Amino acid sequence: GAVVSQHPSWVICKSGTSVKIECRSLDFQATTMFWYRQFPKQSLMLMATSNEGSKATYEQGVEKDKFLINHASLTLSTLTVTSAHPEDSSFYICSAMPGDRVNTEAFFGQGTRLTVV
Amino acid sequence: DAKTTQPNSMESNEEEPVHLPCNHSTISGTDYIHWYRQLPSQGPEYVIHGLTSNVNNRMASLAIAEDRKSSTLILHRATLRDAAVYYCILSLIQGAQKLVFGQGTRLTINP
Repeated sequence: GAVVSQHPSWVICKSGTSVKIECRSLDFQATTMFWYRQFPKQSLMLMATSNEGSKATYEQGVEKDKFLINHASLTLSTLTVTSAHPEDSSFYICSAMPGDRVNTEAFFGQGTRLTVV
Repeated sequence: DAKTTQPNSMESNEEEPVHLPCNHSTISGTDYIHWYRQLPSQGPEYVIHGLTSNVNNRMASLAIAEDRKSSTLILHRATLRDAAVYYCILSLIQGAQKLVFGQGTRLTINP
């Protein structure tokens, strides 16, 4: 089946630094990808919709200047957590759907665990 | 946005059927019902989805009420590997078809 790959799987960074997380659709093109954040014992929270070739759409309450999203190609979206702080420590997950289908399944990456120290 | 309601947790025994309920009383006529599950420290995994008719695949069955205000995910013979959080989600057909997750049901399977 279709695969979405995230990199890295985990990362530890110092407070104040920036971290980039990549999300790739390996065998299909995705004009739209989604970024989620998940805290321990909680559900996934949708952060933003990444649109190829245009600006991302952020959910209410998500700081677009802190969570920079770039969707430069049909198979790659990146999420950069800028000036990370310990409260940004979380499990970040991306998803994508093949662009040529409607109401089909979404494919999720394996997630990236970010720890800010 | 139409929301879903699921029990926080359920427990079942290995090799027995499991029925996971989901209420979605405010579902609109064009909302699809999706089920995903998430194992610990992994991204969610697609299980099944449907619109009006019951659906079957190799993983599970989806029974949709006639008025579409509720649905039930059926695992016919649970294994220990089915222990996960199961999410019932209504797809929002707004161009990008984003999925908004509720709290889900944590399914425990006893050996």
